[in-house]
Amino acid sequence: QKEVEQNSGPLSVPEGAIASLNCTYSDRVSQSFFWYRQYSGKSPELIMSIYSNGDKEDGRFTAQLNKASQYVSLLIRDSQPSDSATYLCAVSREEGAQKLVFGQGTRLTINP
Amino acid sequence: DAGVIQSPRHEVTEMGQEVTLRCKPISGHDYLFWYRQTMMRGLELLIYFNNNVPIDDSGMPEDRFSAKMPNASFSTLKIQPSEPRDSAVYFCASSKMGAQNTEAFFGQGTRLTVV
Repeated sequence: QKEVEQNSGPLSVPEGAIASLNCTYSDRVSQSFFWYRQYSGKSPELIMSIYSNGDKEDGRFTAQLNKASQYVSLLIRDSQPSDSATYLCAVSREEGAQKLVFGQGTRLTINP
Repeated sequence: DAGVIQSPRHEVTEMGQEVTLRCKPISGHDYLFWYRQTMMRGLELLIYFNNNVPIDDSGMPEDRFSAKMPNASFSTLKIQPSEPRDSAVYFCASSKMGAQNTEAFFGQGTRLTVV
């Protein structure tokens, strides 16, 4: 079992709809959870971090964490073509961004 | 700040040659990470430093790989001898020590091709 699992996709969503990305992790002592966006040929960039159970909203993005189910998700509302990218889920045992374990990523395509 | 700076951006080398990848972290950051990204294995942590000291090198695949951080503003990842299976994008990232809300910033990566 991989430490962090994501559906590799591709996930296709029409413009303006909600894109839902999911991630599960195996290490129960994980404390910090991150979503990175990576455009083709570029480096990963952080879009959301979450540390407590529940929802965290930032603009069009909402991260959801359920530690009991070892599940973290990212919702993108009002999807735009510019949201087309690979989304990487990352998990850490530390409180901060140390020693991140990444999932394989989900490729998201927003169709105009 | 210019962000995390890596060089070279692209490297093509022949099998058996030594390869050195370079990284300049963001000034003031305490942590430096080396990652490798391939289609098959995704993004893997190779090694990380805290205040120039290697903390965890369990991700370094073999003795052919070595990393150093002689000072707070420079790190190298060396592969000697290189093999075709080392072909990947190598990312350096840095972050500031702290509790929550610390973010790891990634450099642009070095695309290594070993032929």
